Amino acid sequence: QKEVEQDPGPLSVPEGAIVSLNCTYSNSAFQYFMWYRQYSRKGPELLMYTYSSGNKEDGRFTAQVDKSSKYISLFIRDSQPSDSATYLCAMSAGAGQGGKLIFGQGTELSVKP
Amino acid sequence: DTAVSQTPKYLVTQMGNDKSIKCEQNLGHDTMYWYKQDSKKFLKIMFSYNNKELIINETVPNRFSPKSPDKAHLNLHINSLELGDSAVYFCASSHTPRREGQVSADTQYFGPGTRLTVL
Repeated sequence: QKEVEQDPGPLSVPEGAIVSLNCTYSNSAFQYFMWYRQYSRKGPELLMYTYSSGNKEDGRFTAQVDKSSKYISLFIRDSQPSDSATYLCAMSAGAGQGGKLIFGQGTELSVKP
Repeated sequence: DTAVSQTPKYLVTQMGNDKSIKCEQNLGHDTMYWYKQDSKKFLKIMFSYNNKELIINETVPNRFSPKSPDKAHLNLHINSLELGDSAVYFCASSHTPRREGQVSADTQYFGPGTRLTVL
């Protein structure tokens, strides 16, 4: 079993839809939770990060962490064609594991105009 | 200005050859990483260096040897390339990861990737 599980999709939605992306994990040492966006043939770029449990909102994006269920989510409101990319969840236990990120497999999202 | 840069962007080579990928960051970070992304987009840590010292060395064949001449550079040398080494290799950098319990994680910034194809 992988430490981090993410549905690879692909996920196709119409413009304006609400998108929900999810990851589950097994390592209770994870404290830092991130979502990266990766456009085709580009490097991942950080979209959101959250420390421990809770919600964080940034514009059309909301990240949720539920440590008790070992479950994290990213919501995209009013999705746009420019949101079409692969979304990778990532987690870290911090300095205790050298800061290494453990990634999910990535969900490929396509937003149709 | 590019924050994390890698060269070359594309690398096509024959099995058995030796090749190097270079990475440079101008963000003033002291920790750098190498990740490998396979054909299914799965991204996995290979190595990390903090102030030129090896911190993370995942289960990677010893044909792969990272070298950090200074804090701003982390190169990856691969000997005796195999077909299975074909992937996209990403360099990343961050400030020193903070101790557990501190509030914020240190964001890792990724380079554009080097697409390696072994024939």
